[in-house]
Amino acid sequence: AQSVTQLDSHVSVSEGTPVLLRCNYSSSYSPSLFWYVQHPNKGLQLLLKYTSAATLVKGINGFEAEFKKSETSFHLTKPSAHMSDAAEYFCVVSDRKGNTGFQKLVFGTGTRLLVSP
Amino acid sequence: GAGVSQSPSNKVTEKGKDVELRCDPISGHTALYWYRQSLGQGLEFLIYFQGNSAPDKSGLPSDRFSAERTGGSVSTLTIQRTQQEDSAVYLCASSSSWANEQFFGPGTRLTVL
Repeated sequence: AQSVTQLDSHVSVSEGTPVLLRCNYSSSYSPSLFWYVQHPNKGLQLLLKYTSAATLVKGINGFEAEFKKSETSFHLTKPSAHMSDAAEYFCVVSDRKGNTGFQKLVFGTGTRLLVSP
Repeated sequence: GAGVSQSPSNKVTEKGKDVELRCDPISGHTALYWYRQSLGQGLEFLIYFQGNSAPDKSGLPSDRFSAERTGGSVSTLTIQRTQQEDSAVYLCASSSSWANEQFFGPGTRLTVL
């Protein structure tokens, strides 16, 4: 079964400084990986996804992530944090059943990003 | 266009009562998913519908949980004889096919007293 581990439950940064949210995955085959963001009292929003194309994936709001097979990692980064980035971030791997089965999403435990002025 | 909508946004019920949670997927999306987000378990998959195929119920935690999808559109998640451990946010998502991005609704916060 596929799984993801988010190494930090909380990350605190100052506005304007870089963001790094760490994620490691476990998969028996080439995975599809995602980062979702959840703002307070809002639904989950897809930030970016990796599906075996380019290893550096660019998403919305200036976020990007790099798939590193040798390290089984998919860390999320942003060069400069904004106050509006404060939210919960989930690293997600798809658990696909065969070539025609559905794509069950397996979520990490989440990392809460705190941004201070 | 409109996103995934869920109702009610909040539901408070007494232990032992039945509850129904509703999900309206994005128009034209054939795949629909239910997830549960709770403090102790994080986000976990419950059930999946794809078109007219039999649903994948492998994530339902007990036989008190059931779901249906009428006419390939609206879905209802039913929890019978609710227990306090059922308290969670229930999230619905839809996608245009099994392989595509899942769009999530805002969720229904269920509190069982």
